[in-house]
Parts: sequence; C-alpha cells; structure tokens
Amino acid sequence: QKEVEQDPGPLSVPEGAIVSLNCTYSNSAFQYFMWYRQYSRKGPELLMYTYSSGNKEDGRFTAQVDKSSKYISLFIRDSQPSDSATYLCATTSGTYKYIFGTGTRLKVLA
Amino acid sequence: DVKVTQSSRYLVKRTGEKVFLECVQDMDHENMFWYRQDPGLGLRLIYFSYDVKMKEKGDIPEGYSVSREKKERFSLILESASTNQTSMYLCASSPHGGGSSYEQYFGPGTRLTVT
Repeated sequence: QKEVEQDPGPLSVPEGAIVSLNCTYSNSAFQYFMWYRQYSRKGPELLMYTYSSGNKEDGRFTAQVDKSSKYISLFIRDSQPSDSATYLCATTSGTYKYIFGTGTRLKVLA
Repeated sequence: DVKVTQSSRYLVKRTGEKVFLECVQDMDHENMFWYRQDPGLGLRLIYFSYDVKMKEKGDIPEGYSVSREKKERFSLILESASTNQTSMYLCASSPHGGGSSYEQYFGPGTRLTVT
C-alpha cells in the first residue's frame, strides 16, 4: 500500500463548478499537509499548507484535513480554465521525508 | 516570496557526459532537495541537504552526487549521464521546521534529455 494515494483523474468539470480533490494517507505520524499545483512542464507551485487537522481557506481554495479518517481534501470554488493543471498532495511527519501523491489532472472547460 | 531558481529549463546531453544542475534559493532555507519526476512514478527523492556540506541519500541516489558549498546553492551532478536519467529534475527548499513550518518550495524544473 502506498503511503499516500491520489486518484490520477483526469477530472473534467465545467467552468464555475466546485472541484473536490482528495488524497488518503496511511501513516498517522504525518502532521503537515500541502497541496501543489503543477502546470505542464513546470515545477510544482505551493498552493496551501496546513498543520494537523482542520480547514484553511485562501481565496477560492480550501484545504481540509481529517486526521481521524486520514483524508486530505482541496476544494476549488468557481473553477476557472486557468485552474487546469495537475494537483499534488504531499505530507511529512516533520522530517526531510516528504511523501507525494502522484497527482490528479484537472481540466476546467470554458 | 520564496524564490527557487534552477540553472537551465531544458538540457540535452550525450551518454557518458558529466552533467551539472544548479539550484539557488533566496529564502535562507536550511533544507534543500533534489527530486526527479517521471510519468506514473511521481516525485522521487535523489538527495537531501540539511546544512552546508551535509547531505543524505534519498530513495534513488545511484548515478548521482551532490554538492552544497554555500547555504543558498545546491548542485546535482550526474557523473556519467545515461539514457535512463532522462527526466524532469526538480529542486526544492524548506525551512528547518520547528514550530509548524515544513512547507517545501520548488524551482521551475530542468527537463534533461540524455541521448
């Protein structure tokens, strides 16, 4: 079993839709959770960073961590074609070892 | 704004060549990382450095070495490039942690092709 599982997609949604992207993880020691957006042939860009459980909001993006079910979510409200990218979740227990999901490809249709 | 820069966006090298990939960060981060990213395999850690002149092997260090002579600069060296090292190479940095700060920032990547 992979330490972080992420559905690869692709996920296609119409412009303006609410998008839900999810990851599950297996190690309860993970405390720090990140979401990255990666456009084609570019490096990952840090979108959201959360510590432990709870929600964090930044503009149209909300990150949610449920440690009881080991579930990480990223919600995108009012999705735009410019949101079309691959989204990676990542986590660490606080060491140098970061575990990444393989990414979900999102396409927002105009 | 954290800035991580990499020396080249695209690089084409021949088999057997020695290849240097350079990474510079401007946020005074202690930790720096080199990953490679391949379709279907995700990000795999090659090497990690937590301080000047300090390094730790990651998951796939074979065929690679690193150098960190200054805090802001972390170099990846392919001693003798091979075709199976064709990949996207990503450098990242993060603060030392403590408190709740472990976020990692990436550079734009270097797409290396070995022919």
